Amino acid sequence: GAVVSQHPSRVICKSGTSVKIECRSLDFQATTMFWYRQFPKQSLMLMATSNEGSKATYEQGVEKDKFLINHASLTLSTLTVTSAHPEDSSFYICSARRPDQPQHFGDGTRLSIL
Amino acid sequence: AQSVTQLGSHVSVSEGALVLLRCNYSSSVPPYLFWYVQYPNQGLQLLLKYTSAATLVKGINGFEAEFKKSETSFHLTKPSAHMSDAAEYFCAVSEGSGNQFYFGTGTSLTVIP
Repeated sequence: GAVVSQHPSRVICKSGTSVKIECRSLDFQATTMFWYRQFPKQSLMLMATSNEGSKATYEQGVEKDKFLINHASLTLSTLTVTSAHPEDSSFYICSARRPDQPQHFGDGTRLSIL
Repeated sequence: AQSVTQLGSHVSVSEGALVLLRCNYSSSVPPYLFWYVQYPNQGLQLLLKYTSAATLVKGINGFEAEFKKSETSFHLTKPSAHMSDAAEYFCAVSEGSGNQFYFGTGTSLTVIP
């Protein structure tokens, strides 16, 4: 079945640093990738939709300069949290899909900013 | 506009008992409906999906769900709970299988030995 790999699974860093999270579709070409944020005991909130070769579409309230998304190839999208602060600590999950196919989710990245 | 409501943020059942997790949706177009399971610190795993074919959908791990248009519901059931079923369950709706998902707030299932 379709596999989506997300890396790293956990990251702890100091406030003010930038953190990059990778999302890879391992056995299919993902025309679209999605980035979600999940707070403890809450549902997934869509942050942005990323199509290969074009700029990401951000949901209302998500700072595009804070959360930089790059979808340079059909198998890789990256989310960079710039100048991270403690309030950015969260569980970030990506998903990937082919046209007219369901999304397949990565295992998530637990980001902790000290 | 589409939305999903999951009634009951926490559900507890005894091992071997029936599992029923409720999901109601709102959609202006024929919906695609999904149930996902999430284990701690992991991503989402697809349990089953409804894509306008059979209204009773069978998924993995013995779960199934029935699409009821008249009730705008897509409740998830399993005849006999197992300890390994303890997890967070999310219902989601989309206009098409590949389009944006709208997730419910989730239901945490506890299985009591």
